[in-house]
Amino acid sequence: DAGVIQSPRHEVTEMGQEVTLRCKPISGHDYLFWYRQTMMRGLELLIYFNNNVPIDDSGMPEDRFSAKMPNASFSTLKIQPSEPRDSAVYFCASSFSVWDNPTPQHFGDGTRLSIL
Amino acid sequence: QQPVQSPQAVILREGEDAVINCSSSKALYSVHWYRQKHGEAPVFLMILLKGGEQKGHDKISASFNEKKQQSSLYLTASQLSYSGTYFCGTERSNYKLTFGKGTLLTVNP
Repeated sequence: DAGVIQSPRHEVTEMGQEVTLRCKPISGHDYLFWYRQTMMRGLELLIYFNNNVPIDDSGMPEDRFSAKMPNASFSTLKIQPSEPRDSAVYFCASSFSVWDNPTPQHFGDGTRLSIL
Repeated sequence: QQPVQSPQAVILREGEDAVINCSSSKALYSVHWYRQKHGEAPVFLMILLKGGEQKGHDKISASFNEKKQQSSLYLTASQLSYSGTYFCGTERSNYKLTFGKGTLLTVNP
């Protein structure tokens, strides 16, 4: 079975440019999570969706960040304009819900973003 | 609030045991454990629910003390493949995880 698919794997761009990260969750999963990982702050949750609806975006650092999930098989995380401090590895993860029981989150391979 | 993991790093020889701890100041619903190798994605190990349960997976097991809001991950007879960074993720509600900063485990021959 295909896992969570993220693209691109690597992105290098200049400060001020728009960056769009993409994620395809595992089929049948109804939760989708976007994380950012840095050495300083570790693995931080940015936003998550349930059935394509954003549930909690309190981790989104600023208005420069936005995320959408137009359908069950696709989500984007956009940064506009990008800044050097946005450089990090961005992970997408998905999981399925079981009545009141937590389930594993399956992570994609991540996008390594470098803003020059 | 971010859970606190200890130790930050540990070095073992193959065959030795290790314990990694995860503490929260808030009441938890569940604790998740993941392992991440350098340059790769985190990989799920196990979930523990409130109620003080214990779980085992091969030679890796874990416990969750609900009263203390602490979880421990036990690695016995460590193998080279156990090397990586171990993260605990704590859940208070609604499937939302907050991850600790990780424990770097190095297993040497």
